[in-house]
Amino acid sequence: KAGVTQTPRYLIKTRGQQVTLSCSPISGHRSVSWYQQTPGQGLQFLFEYFSETQRNKGNFPGRFSGRQFSNSRSEMNVSTLELGDSALYLCASSLTGMGETQYFGPGTRLLVL
Amino acid sequence: QKEVEQNSGPLSVPEGAIASLNCTYSDRGSQSFFWYRQYSGKSPELIMSIYSNGDKEDGRFTAQLNKASQYVSLLIRDSQPSDSATYLCAVNAQGTGYALNFGKGTSLLVTP
Repeated sequence: KAGVTQTPRYLIKTRGQQVTLSCSPISGHRSVSWYQQTPGQGLQFLFEYFSETQRNKGNFPGRFSGRQFSNSRSEMNVSTLELGDSALYLCASSLTGMGETQYFGPGTRLLVL
Repeated sequence: QKEVEQNSGPLSVPEGAIASLNCTYSDRGSQSFFWYRQYSGKSPELIMSIYSNGDKEDGRFTAQLNKASQYVSLLIRDSQPSDSATYLCAVNAQGTGYALNFGKGTSLLVTP
């Protein structure tokens, strides 16, 4: 079974721009979660989607948003990029998002200049 | 914010030895516990999951959970240089919508 895929793998943007990242979950998985990883803060939860609905949200500003499509694929968007948004963005999928194992994709490394 | 604490290391062990990684958590409502391994520049990879008190063994890996002490550990037997990585402890709970709450990770170095 194919794993979680994320595109693009690398991005370079400048401050003020916006960016959209994409995630395709493992086949059959309906829950998709997004995490941000930085050297200082570690891995932090952004939000979780299930059946096209945001079910849970972490403590991030409204510039961070996401959505999920009917095929469970998900996108996240960051608007008005700041230097501090430079990070590894990780997508994880699970069957139901109700406590079982989450499997991570390879991540998208975003650099904001 | 509920805390998940890990010693940052680095923890250095010789090849063939047992590596012991520890994690404590503050949320008594935590229900699921995970150990992920992360190589430099890569994404986290699941090593073990554990849901009930006691030990769970999978090959060279043993996870131990003690909910009363709010403590979870990972033992790696016969450590290999390829085990050198950062090990992330993660917990989740129904009260937080099952979002994974990660520790900062322990860096493990296995020396030949």
